[in-house]
Amino acid sequence: GENVEQHPSTLSVQEGDSAVIKCTYSDSASNYFPWYKQELGKRPQLIIDIRSNVGEKKDQRIAVTLNKTAKHFSLHITETQPEDSAVYFCAASIMGPYAGFQKLVFGTGTRLLVSP
Amino acid sequence: GAVVSQHPSWVICKSGTSVKIECRSLDFQATTMFWYRQFPKQSLMLMATSNEGSKATYEQGVEKDKFLINHASLTLSTLTVTSAHPEDSSFYICSASPPGQGTYNSPLHFGNGTRLTVT
Repeated sequence: GENVEQHPSTLSVQEGDSAVIKCTYSDSASNYFPWYKQELGKRPQLIIDIRSNVGEKKDQRIAVTLNKTAKHFSLHITETQPEDSAVYFCAASIMGPYAGFQKLVFGTGTRLLVSP
Repeated sequence: GAVVSQHPSWVICKSGTSVKIECRSLDFQATTMFWYRQFPKQSLMLMATSNEGSKATYEQGVEKDKFLINHASLTLSTLTVTSAHPEDSSFYICSASPPGQGTYNSPLHFGNGTRLTVT
């Protein structure tokens, strides 16, 4: 089955620095790659996603890149702020049990700490 | 849009009792919902895929007789943890996607989660 690896497990940066989180996946059929931010005790919130027909997507300070050949994708956060501190999860889609529907496999998470 | 509501947000129960968790899609119809479990400082692990009007599909290692899933309508899925034990204590989160997104999956929206503590 699909295996999604995520690195690093923890990342500490100074406010204003950039942060990069990397994920690799194993299933070449995966075609949807979302990133979620989860604050302590709360639900995961979708922050950005990318589909396999594009190589890069940007939304203000957040960007995601996808290399389908190498089967890896990365989250880039620029000009980090203390409120960016949270756990970030990548995910990759795999075929679900019903035709035309996919499900997500999550990475192990990255705890990002942004110090003022 | 795409709001998923989950209830209760937390529950404490005694070992051996059953607990029901509800997941509702508030502003869209969800033919499929997903149930995840998250242990402290760990990732989200998919437990099962719930499909309206048919049996749920369970991931490997998840006991279907212990985690009963019912998806009786297009906006409601329930997860019942039967004969709960302390090792079932976890954060349970449901999710759903608005339909009709073509080839690629829709963004998955999560409920608030239910923190279950079994004493």
